Amino acid sequence: EAGVTQFPSHSVIEKGQTVTLRCDPISGHDNLYWYRRVMGKEIKFLLHFVKESKQDESGMPNNRFLAERTGGTYSTLKVQPAELEDSGVYFCASSQDRRGNNEQFFGPGTRLTVL
Amino acid sequence: SQKIEQNSEALNIQEGKTATLTCNYTNYSPAYLQWYRQDPGRGPVFLLLIRENEKEKRKERLKVTFDTTLKQSLFHITASQPADSATYLCALDPSGGSYIPTFGRGTSLIVHP
Repeated sequence: EAGVTQFPSHSVIEKGQTVTLRCDPISGHDNLYWYRRVMGKEIKFLLHFVKESKQDESGMPNNRFLAERTGGTYSTLKVQPAELEDSGVYFCASSQDRRGNNEQFFGPGTRLTVL
Repeated sequence: SQKIEQNSEALNIQEGKTATLTCNYTNYSPAYLQWYRQDPGRGPVFLLLIRENEKEKRKERLKVTFDTTLKQSLFHITASQPADSATYLCALDPSGGSYIPTFGRGTSLIVHP
């Protein structure tokens, strides 16, 4: 069974440009999460989808970030316009059930560098 | 303020010994605590979850303890191997029943052959 995949693995853009990150969760997982790790800091929650609905977006830094999950399958996270402080590694995770064991499966991350 | 503290210094041990990593937290009342492993260039991998009413949990060579009075979790790897070298992240449920873990910064473990 394929794990969580993310694309691209790396992205280098200039300040002011737009970048779109993609996450494909494990098939059948209704829950999809986005996290970010800025260098030297801990991994921080951004938002949570249940199917195509945003369940919790309390971690989104500002309105330059837009996440979508059309059809409840893959998700995209768009940063527009990108700023220097957006640099970091963006992780996506999915889980089957948010209750119980709450095991989240993480993707390898997308390393975003904003110059 | 709320804090999750993991030793920022790498833990270096000899193969075969037991590695013990510490996670301390303040101003949280978590319903559960998780441990993850992260290798360079990869996402975290879930290892164990321990609930607030559990004192200890084991899985193969791994053992986790959870002391809600001390606000501390200890993560043990017995008979450590060089392949255990990685960064280990502690994560807790920040609001007693939330499904979104709050992560510590992790501790790097290096097991020398």
